[in-house]
Amino acid sequence: GQQLNQSPQSMFIQEGEDVSMNCTSSSIFNTWLWYKQEPGEGPVLLIALYKAGELTSNGRLTAQFGITRKDSFLNISASIPSDVGIYFCAGQSGYSSASKIIFGSGTRLSIRP
Amino acid sequence: DTAVSQTPKYLVTQMGNDKSIKCEQNLGHDTMYWYKQDSKKFLKIMFSYNNKELIINETVPNRFSPKSPDKAHLNLHINSLELGDSAVYFCASSQTSGSHEQFFGPGTRLTVL
Repeated sequence: GQQLNQSPQSMFIQEGEDVSMNCTSSSIFNTWLWYKQEPGEGPVLLIALYKAGELTSNGRLTAQFGITRKDSFLNISASIPSDVGIYFCAGQSGYSSASKIIFGSGTRLSIRP
Repeated sequence: DTAVSQTPKYLVTQMGNDKSIKCEQNLGHDTMYWYKQDSKKFLKIMFSYNNKELIINETVPNRFSPKSPDKAHLNLHINSLELGDSAVYFCASSQTSGSHEQFFGPGTRLTVL
């Protein structure tokens, strides 16, 4: 079945640093998504990407849909404490009602004290 | 106002018991989902319903039975609970089936002893 490899698994950063994480797939996706999950909450959609090569920003977050359609990255600039959480990439290969979203394993972001 | 709500938030029960988790969305969405998140935070879809009709049914033991009395509600009933069922279960909804923008509930942490 389709699988997503997300890296890094976890990262510790200093406040103010830029953060980068990525996701690769063994198969093509038509939609790439990035979600954030905070403790005790469900995932929240941050950015959705629909076209190969697309670069989209949401405040300090920027994500890109890879040209090959098999990868995506998320950058966070000038990190702040509230950026802490687990970031999930997700891909969707079709648009039909039976097209499910496949989630990556997550990148846990922590702020180094 | 809560968009997607789940009850209970926490559920602790003995092996072999039968339990239900309820989900309601007030977004007017047509499609609802159940996801399971394991201890490693891996998030996997279990079921999706569109207008009370089952659309996606992943390889889930038949001890799990979703029920959608109307399009605003999707409940999950689990029979003969096993230790491996311990996880966080998330309900989600989207405007239409095949839509990527899914809104997640806060999750139900199920612990089977």
